[in-house]
Amino acid sequence: QKEVEQNSGPLSVPEGAIASLNCTYSDRGSQSFFWYRQYSGKSPELIMFIYSNGDKEDGRFTAQLNKASQYVSLLIRDSQPSDSATYLCAVRMDSSYKLIFGSGTRLLVRP
Amino acid sequence: EAQVTQNPRYLITVTGKKLTVTCSQNMNHEYMSWYRQDPGLGLRQIYYSMNVEVTDKGDVPEGYKVSRKEKRNFPLILESPSPNQTSLYFCASRAGGMSTEAFFGQGTRLTVV
Repeated sequence: QKEVEQNSGPLSVPEGAIASLNCTYSDRGSQSFFWYRQYSGKSPELIMFIYSNGDKEDGRFTAQLNKASQYVSLLIRDSQPSDSATYLCAVRMDSSYKLIFGSGTRLLVRP
Repeated sequence: EAQVTQNPRYLITVTGKKLTVTCSQNMNHEYMSWYRQDPGLGLRQIYYSMNVEVTDKGDVPEGYKVSRKEKRNFPLILESPSPNQTSLYFCASRAGGMSTEAFFGQGTRLTVV
C-alpha cells in the first residue's frame, strides 16, 4: 500500500464548477498536510497546508482534513482553465523531516 | 528575490560519467532536499540536509551523493550515472518549524544514455 494515494485522473470539470481532489494516507502519526500545484514541466508550488481537522479556506481553495478517516481533500471553487495542472498531496510526521508525496491528480478545466 | 536555483536545467550524459547538479538558495534556509520525479511515481526524496554538514538518506538514495559544506549550497552528485537515473530532479529548501518545502528549484531534466 502506498503511503499517500491519489487518483491519477484526469479529473475533468467545466469552467465555473467545483473541483474536488482527494488524498488518503496510511500513517496515523501524520501531522502536516500540504497541497502543491504543478504545471506541466514546471516545479511544484505550495498552495495550501493544513494541520488541524476541519476546513481551511484561502480564496477559491479549501483544504479539508479528517484524521480519523485519514484523508485530506482540496476543493477549488469557480474552477478556471488556468487551474488545469497536476495537484500533489504531501504528508509529513512532525517527528520526521521526510515529506511523502502522492503521485498527483491531473485536473482539466474545460472552457 | 527569494529563490532556489538549480543548474543545469537540461543534461544528457553517458553511463558512468560523473556529474554534479548544483542547487543554491538565497533564503538562509536550514533544510534542503533533493527529489526525483518519475511518471506515475510522484516526487521521491533522495537526500535531505537539516543544516551544514548534516545530511541523511531519503527514500531512494542509491547511486547518489550529496554534501552541505555551506548553508546555501546542496549539490547532488552522481558518481557513475546509469540509465535508471534518467529523471526530473528538484531541489527544495525550507525554513524550520511547521513550514515545509515551500520553495522548489526550476528542475533539472537528466537523461543518461
